[in-house]
Amino acid sequence: QKEVEQDPGPLSVPEGAIVSLNCTYSNSAFQYFMWYRQYSRKGPELLMYTYSSGNKEDGRFTAQVDKSSKYISLFIRDSQPSDSATYLCAMSEGSGYSTLTFGKGTMLLVSP
Amino acid sequence: KAGVTQTPRYLIKTRGQQVTLSCSPISGHRSVSWYQQTPGQGLQFLFEYFSETQRNKGNFPGRFSGRQFSNSRSEMNVSTLELGDSALYLCASSRDGEETQYFGPGTRLLVL
Repeated sequence: QKEVEQDPGPLSVPEGAIVSLNCTYSNSAFQYFMWYRQYSRKGPELLMYTYSSGNKEDGRFTAQVDKSSKYISLFIRDSQPSDSATYLCAMSEGSGYSTLTFGKGTMLLVSP
Repeated sequence: KAGVTQTPRYLIKTRGQQVTLSCSPISGHRSVSWYQQTPGQGLQFLFEYFSETQRNKGNFPGRFSGRQFSNSRSEMNVSTLELGDSALYLCASSRDGEETQYFGPGTRLLVL
């Protein structure tokens, strides 16, 4: 079993839809959770960052962490064609050594 | 504020050759991490440097090495290239003690 599981997609939605992206993990020591967006042939861009369980909202994006279920989610409201990208979840134990463990990414396609 | 820069952006090498990739972190960031990204394995951690010292190392063979200079710039070297080394090599920087990492655009390496 991989440490972080993420459905590769592609996930195709129409413009304006609410998108739900998810990751599960097995390492209960993970405390810091991040979502990155990666456009084709570009480096990952940090979208959201949360510590421990709970919700965090930033504009159209909401990140949720449920440590009891080892499950994290990213919701995108009013999705736009410009949201079409691969979304990577990442997490770390918070040891201060800055080692992130990534999911393989979910490809999202938002059609106009 | 300038982001993480990586040079070169693209490289084509042949098997058996060696290659050196360069990374300049965001100003004030002293931690530099390197990752290999392939379609099959996703993002995999190579190593992390802080204050010119390797603090963490992933599960890669000794052909992969790196170093960091006093100005926090970092280089990674791959010797005796193999076809399987073809990948996007990403560099990320962070402030010491912070879990969030900021990525550069990557160097795309093709080994023929």
